[in-house]
Amino acid sequence: DAGVTQSPTHLIKTRGQQVTLRCSPKSGHDTVSWYQQALGQGPQFIFQYYEEEERQRGNFPDRFSGHQFPNYSSELNVNALLLGDSALYLCASSPRTAGSYNEQFFGPGTRLTVL
Amino acid sequence: KQEVTQIPAALSVPEGENLVLNCSFTDSAIYNLQWFRQDPGKGLTSLLLIQSSQREQTSGRLNASLDKSSGRSTLYIAASQPGDSATYLCAVGSGNTGKLIFGQGTTLQVKP
Repeated sequence: DAGVTQSPTHLIKTRGQQVTLRCSPKSGHDTVSWYQQALGQGPQFIFQYYEEEERQRGNFPDRFSGHQFPNYSSELNVNALLLGDSALYLCASSPRTAGSYNEQFFGPGTRLTVL
Repeated sequence: KQEVTQIPAALSVPEGENLVLNCSFTDSAIYNLQWFRQDPGKGLTSLLLIQSSQREQTSGRLNASLDKSSGRSTLYIAASQPGDSATYLCAVGSGNTGKLIFGQGTTLQVKP
């Protein structure tokens, strides 16, 4: 059973460009969350997708957007890249169970470097 | 606003020692608390999940406790090994989607 997978592993972009990161959740999971982890810091919540809709959003500008597909996979898009967007981007998946909050499983991350 | 703090930021111990990592949070209205391990440049590996109604969870040499009223959790590692060297992160699940709010982590080095 494959766990959470993310692509690409590494990415180098220049300021002002746009980037798309991809995530496939663990089998049986329908909820995907994205986190940004700057060097030496704990991950910060970006947003969560369930039933192809954004359910909650953290304190990130509109340059950060996402999408969830019918097969539960998800994309994170960042426009007009800034140097400060350089970070490890982590995807987490979990099963949605009414009335409870379940363990989140993380992928290996995508390392984004903005030059 | 929920804030999560982990102390100490770094810890170095000799192999075989038992150790405790600390995590505190400011708002007791949490759904769960999760402990993770992160190796350098890698993703997060879930170690233990404690639901808000539980007091502790155990997995092998790891034991995590939760005291919601005092806003604290501890991760106990028994008989530490060099392979335990990593950064340990705690995260509380809160909000209407159970989003995780992380501490900054404790970097552990276990010396042979």
